[in-house]
Amino acid sequence: DGGITQSPKYLFRKEGQNVTLSCEQNLNHDAMYWYRQDPGQGLRLIYYSQIVNDFQKGDIAEGYSVSREKKESFPLTVTSAQKNPTAFYLCASSIFETGRNEQFFGPGTRLTVL
Amino acid sequence: GENVEQHPSTLSVQEGDSAVIKCTYSDSASNYFPWYKQELGKGPQLIIDIRSNVGEKKDQRIAVTLNKTAKHFSLHITETQPEDSAVYFCAASMRPGTASKLTFGTGTRLQVTL
Repeated sequence: DGGITQSPKYLFRKEGQNVTLSCEQNLNHDAMYWYRQDPGQGLRLIYYSQIVNDFQKGDIAEGYSVSREKKESFPLTVTSAQKNPTAFYLCASSIFETGRNEQFFGPGTRLTVL
Repeated sequence: GENVEQHPSTLSVQEGDSAVIKCTYSDSASNYFPWYKQELGKGPQLIIDIRSNVGEKKDQRIAVTLNKTAKHFSLHITETQPEDSAVYFCAASMRPGTASKLTFGTGTRLQVTL
């Protein structure tokens, strides 16, 4: 069954702690993305990666870090420097195709800072 | 950078009626426009997309129109059903064929009432 998995579905952390969100895909997609979703807002891009060992900042990268050591995996770390980390986090992947950038999304992780 | 505005933020229609959601974009270089449907607690799912060299695209009860001159595009859902109830997001992208950024609208919550 091909797709994108994110774990855990719900995550709680105390203020001042770093936390890592997992994202795995078995679609053989080249590119992977992390978005943040807040109520009443659209999805905002945190980081994206076109190939292994390469990634670029999105619109709201401050307080976050990523790695891309394997094609299938793109974990996101929410650091203590992120001032308002409570949100719904979505991972996506896409394959390069002329004229399109169809992104497939995982089920999301809801992070709550206590 | 690109800015995408989406209206209305909420839309309530009776079952069987049509629903229209409109988006405008700011960057004339954008050339790929997908629409996503997000059900509660899940990741967004692509329902239809359109490239800038096409003015209209239809898939069963769903259609998208694009006016490049005016820089706006719309989603049309005909014969709405209760299962169409969800949040719908439009997006715009440049540079197809690479891991380009999707800029999302703020979403429209569609409610189909019986």
